[in-house]
Formats: sequence, C-alpha cells, structure tokens
Amino acid sequence: EAGVAQSPRYKIIEKRQSVAFWCNPISGHATLYWYQQILGQGPKLLIQFQNNGVVDDSQLPKDRFSAERLKGVDSTLKIQPAKLEDSAVYLCASSLSSQYFGPGTRLTVT
Amino acid sequence: GESVGLHLPTLSVQEGDNSIINCAYSNSASDYFIWYKQESGKGPQFIIDIRSNMDKRQGQRVTVLLNKTVKHLSLQIAATQPGDSAVYFCAETPIGTYKYIFGTGTRLKVLA
Repeated sequence: EAGVAQSPRYKIIEKRQSVAFWCNPISGHATLYWYQQILGQGPKLLIQFQNNGVVDDSQLPKDRFSAERLKGVDSTLKIQPAKLEDSAVYLCASSLSSQYFGPGTRLTVT
Repeated sequence: GESVGLHLPTLSVQEGDNSIINCAYSNSASDYFIWYKQESGKGPQFIIDIRSNMDKRQGQRVTVLLNKTVKHLSLQIAATQPGDSAVYFCAETPIGTYKYIFGTGTRLKVLA
C-alpha cells in the first residue's frame, strides 16, 4: 500500500514570499490533516478535512495560511506571505481509523 | 537530516534493556491514545494505540499502559535495539473527534 505522499520535501524562501505544499493521502482515507512541527516540538494541527469539508481549522492562521482539498483527495496548503516563524516541517497525514503521516516538507524562511 | 527534538527530554538505555517512556495527557475526555515514533527527516510512525476502556495493550515488543486516574500513558519497549533510537510522541484524541493532540516528545538513545 502506498503511503502519504508530500512535495516538495524541502523549500527555502524569503520572508514575504508565497509557498505551497501538496499532499496525496492514502487511497480511500477520508480524513486528511495538515500539521506544523517546529523543531523540538510535537506536531500541531493546522487543519483537518473530512472528505472535502473542513472539520477543524481553529489553529490555522487564516490571515496568511489557506488550505483546500478539492474533490476530497489531494490537498494543498499555502502560506502567503511567509514569516520567519513559519520555518518548520509541514506534515500531512490521512486516516481511515489509524493516522498515517507523510515524510513532511521542511520549510526554511530567510 | 536535521534532528527532530534537539531540546527534548532524553532517555538513554543500554541495548537489550527495557525502555519505559512516559507521557502525561491533558484532557480527561480523551478516549483514544496513540504512540508514535519519529526518526530524523521522517514523519511520525504509528506504533501502538489504546482506547480508554482498556488499561494495557501489547504489541510486538511494545506495551502501552493507560492510567486514567492520573492521566498518564506509558510505552514500554522490550529488549531495546539500536533501531529504536528516535523521538517518541504520545497523542490523545478527545471523545467524538478525530483530532490528534500531540504531547512533548522524548528522545530515546540506545547505547551499544
């Protein structure tokens, strides 16, 4: 079974630039999550989708972050404009019962 | 790759010994708990889970214990191997949600 795919794996941008991350969940998984993991901390949930609807986006900084899951499969997470404190690993996960993570995208904002 | 958890609590154990990693969770309404292993440059990997109607669950070389009275979760790894070196996170799920709340991780170092 293929796992959760994410791209790119690494991204370096300057502050105030925009960036987008892509996630392809495990086939058949209705629930998709985006997490932010800052070095030395556990993953923090940004947004949770059930199919193509948002279940929880209470911790998503909506002034700069946006996410969508068109057709209830792939998802993109966008940051515009980026700040230095957005430097982190962005993890996508999907679940049917148990949750499975992708390898993450490491974002560095300079 | 860059390490996860440079400033996390660290548990060092000798290869072959048993490891016990502890976690305090926050929400008494949580009814599902999971342990994850995260190696450098990788996403968290599911290890074992337990529901709140259980006190103990065993897997292959791993056991999870749940004490709801003091909101404490532990992961026991038997005969710890070098490949077990990683950062371990516990996560809780409040009842009625599919939301995973992660705790502070613990770095496990296995000494040869």
